[in-house]
Amino acid sequence: NAGVTQTPKFQVLKTGQSMTLQCAQDMNHNSMYWYRQDPGMGLRLIYYSASEGTTDKGEVPNGYNVSRLNKREFSLRLESAAPSQTSVYFCASTGGELFFGEGSRLTVL
Amino acid sequence: GDSVTQMEGPVTLSEEAFLTINCTYTATGYPSLFWYVQYPGEGLQLLLKATKADDKGSNKGFEATYRKETTSFHLEKGSVQVSDSAVYFCALDKYNFNKFYFGSGTKLNVKP
Repeated sequence: NAGVTQTPKFQVLKTGQSMTLQCAQDMNHNSMYWYRQDPGMGLRLIYYSASEGTTDKGEVPNGYNVSRLNKREFSLRLESAAPSQTSVYFCASTGGELFFGEGSRLTVL
Repeated sequence: GDSVTQMEGPVTLSEEAFLTINCTYTATGYPSLFWYVQYPGEGLQLLLKATKADDKGSNKGFEATYRKETTSFHLEKGSVQVSDSAVYFCALDKYNFNKFYFGSGTKLNVKP
């Protein structure tokens, strides 16, 4: 009964370093999403994937790349991290309503 | 474009007080509307939803009615508890595109 699982939960990076956030869902959902949450900004969509093999940009895609590896997994990559990418990142999937992971808190120094 | 606007917080209430959190939306067509709740340190979870005009979603004593004439989906609860302290997000889903738009969130603090 895992739902949406994302890793890591916490990460500290230096400016310019790269990292990948992993996300997996076990609900057989077609659509998956990456959001970032910043104070006073609510959730902003970074990228989404409507089905395996497809990805599309959301509101704030700059500085990120994604891979829909298979139906279960959707990863988010920061190639060269910047302090402006300090945020809490949420992965989600949907079969009509959104199911969220617990979040990944990223700090870029 | 499509968007959701909700009242700014924080909202501070005493236990057993009546709660209203306003939410209005802008969207073409007939979106589904949702309220999500985020407890401290956790991800968001669905609180309630409504998929067509005049539908009322309800859960855990919370209610919201889909009002197409006023493009609103206000969240209400008759008697809040300390355990209701959380951040509440209004959202809409353009079903055809399966894209969700969120409001900025409203933090609720309930004092004993």
